[in-house]
Amino acid sequence: EAGVTQFPSHSVIEKGQTVTLRCDPISGHDNLYWYRRVMGKEIKFLLHFVKESKQDESGMPNNRFLAERTGGTYSTLKVQPAELEDSGVYFCASSPLAGGGTDTQYFGPGTRLTVL
Amino acid sequence: AQTVTQSQPEMSVQEAETVTLSCTYDTSESNYYLFWYKQPPSRQMILVIRQEAYKQQNATENRFSVNFQKAAKSFSLKISDSQLGDTAMYFCAFMKNNAGNMLTFGGGTRLMVKP
Repeated sequence: EAGVTQFPSHSVIEKGQTVTLRCDPISGHDNLYWYRRVMGKEIKFLLHFVKESKQDESGMPNNRFLAERTGGTYSTLKVQPAELEDSGVYFCASSPLAGGGTDTQYFGPGTRLTVL
Repeated sequence: AQTVTQSQPEMSVQEAETVTLSCTYDTSESNYYLFWYKQPPSRQMILVIRQEAYKQQNATENRFSVNFQKAAKSFSLKISDSQLGDTAMYFCAFMKNNAGNMLTFGGGTRLMVKP
């Protein structure tokens, strides 16, 4: 079974540009999460999808960040325009829906974003 | 709101020895899950072990075991017979007892296993 995949693995952009990160969850996982870790700090929650619906977006830092999950499969996270403080590693995770006690979230390898 | 604290930013251990990584948390919830995740230098974060707060028995996965002290809100990870492949960042994480909830992470402990 394929794990969570993320693309690109590394992105370097200039301040003011736009970047789109993609996450493909494990097949059949309806829960999809975005997290990020900025330099040396804790991994922080950004938002949570259940299928195509945003369940919780309380961690989104500001309106420069837009997440979508059309069709309930893969998700994209767009940063527009990017700022220096957006640099960090963006992780995606997925898990099945509740019912089986399977609350473990499975993580992708992350996308390292560098804003110059 | 929940907080998770890992007080050891870096640790090292000799191969084949035992090491314990500390984690404390603060919550008003009575039912929750606790996790240890490992992120090797290749960056893929993988689950090491999980503990349901309602279970008194400490979770064990091969060489990895936890010491869960609910009253003290402590959740340490013990790695026995350390191997070079255990070199990684280790993150302690908390989740409320509703599937689909976010994880709250500690700052991580960088563990180096020396030959």
